[in-house]
Amino acid sequence: DTAVSQTPKYLVTQMGNDKSIKCEQNLGHDTMYWYKQDSKKFLKIMFSYNNKELIINETVPNRFSPKSPDKAHLNLHINSLELGDSAVYFCASSRDRVDGYTFGSGTRLTVV
Amino acid sequence: GNSVTQMEGPVTLSEEAFLTINCTYTATGYPSLFWYVQYPGEGLQLLLKATKADDKGSNKGFEATYRKETTSFHLEKGSVQVSDSAVYFCALRGRTNFGNEKLTFGTGTRLTIIP
Repeated sequence: DTAVSQTPKYLVTQMGNDKSIKCEQNLGHDTMYWYKQDSKKFLKIMFSYNNKELIINETVPNRFSPKSPDKAHLNLHINSLELGDSAVYFCASSRDRVDGYTFGSGTRLTVV
Repeated sequence: GNSVTQMEGPVTLSEEAFLTINCTYTATGYPSLFWYVQYPGEGLQLLLKATKADDKGSNKGFEATYRKETTSFHLEKGSVQVSDSAVYFCALRGRTNFGNEKLTFGTGTRLTIIP
């Protein structure tokens, strides 16, 4: 199946831990994104990479570090997790400015 | 900067009712406009899009017209079904101040259809 896949789907962890979320797309898209959806369903962009190059970094704490080993992968590493980091994180990809984004199914992160 | 304003929900309708979810936007230049749908427990799916003024996007009985004069992209459906219950997001794709493009979302409208 062609898609954007992210793992894990659920992640429960304690405050202060470090965790990673992985994302892969097999659509041949050049640009990948991370979005955060809060408890009120509000979606906010965090990062964008184009061909492994960071092009958008939206005022995100530096505890969050994206890594793109190649244009098909964009992983998100989070250090020293805080309660306020609890949210659903969506990975997405796009081909060009006309097309919309293709989203993964999300990772629900719960920090306890 | 770019922004999207959606009508606040939640919206509750009876099956076969007519649906309108209002969306207006603020953007420089000529953005592309989108409606996304999020079913419970799932990710976002592209529902329809329009890339220039007066374009009409349509899919699954939903439609929306890109109105530049009123900066609007209202979502409509003539007869809703229980399976349409979801959260609907209006979005635009424009350029940031640094020339990079991103998708900016409205706050979402939760729609519930009752049999």
